Amino acid sequence: GAVVSQHPSWVICKSGTSVKIECRSLDFQATTMFWYRQFPKQSLMLMATSNEGSKATYEQGVEKDKFLINHASLTLSTLTVTSAHPEDSSFYICSARPQGGQETQYFGPGTRLLVL
Amino acid sequence: GQNIDQPTEMTATEGAIVQINCTYQTSGFNGLFWYQQHAGEAPTFLSYNVLDGLEEKGRFSSFLSRSKGYSYLLLKELQMKDSASYLCAVMKAAGNKLTFGGGTRVLVKP
Repeated sequence: GAVVSQHPSWVICKSGTSVKIECRSLDFQATTMFWYRQFPKQSLMLMATSNEGSKATYEQGVEKDKFLINHASLTLSTLTVTSAHPEDSSFYICSARPQGGQETQYFGPGTRLLVL
Repeated sequence: GQNIDQPTEMTATEGAIVQINCTYQTSGFNGLFWYQQHAGEAPTFLSYNVLDGLEEKGRFSSFLSRSKGYSYLLLKELQMKDSASYLCAVMKAAGNKLTFGGGTRVLVKP
């Protein structure tokens, strides 16, 4: 149980295009999902907290208009990187917290984005 | 803010024991997590400590001292597959958000 999927697993796009990444909790409902970014040989940095049915909460320094987050249902959150640039190339990882699970987070397998 | 410090790299021999230390400074502490991450993959959960003391799970054990802002992850009977990055993460009570340390790359040699 407690499986989180991400789609796509990797994506290559041209500079200026937008890329959407999906995060799904497959066998549980998640009122809260988190989006992280990880650059090579660095640790995970929290970008934003996605709450079902409400606006996402962004960490300091993360542009909300560039990284659009939608948490439309209890099993799906999407992150859209708008007008992607090469510096947005990174490993994007989501995690999902089950309803009632205050501490537990289950991580997705990550999405590797390369912007040319 | 939160400062979470852990060593960058450690090397150990197969079959040996390695201890990875993590120190942190935070307000509103709500637990400390250890994750294992192989290159190019997502982190996998290893342990969660919210009370002082030692938690043992097979070959892996984790210790927490809240008064000292200190935790360690102990890996026993090291295997080659244990070569990975080990991430210490602190959870704040407000929002239950995780803040990760820089990670410790452990290399297990034959």
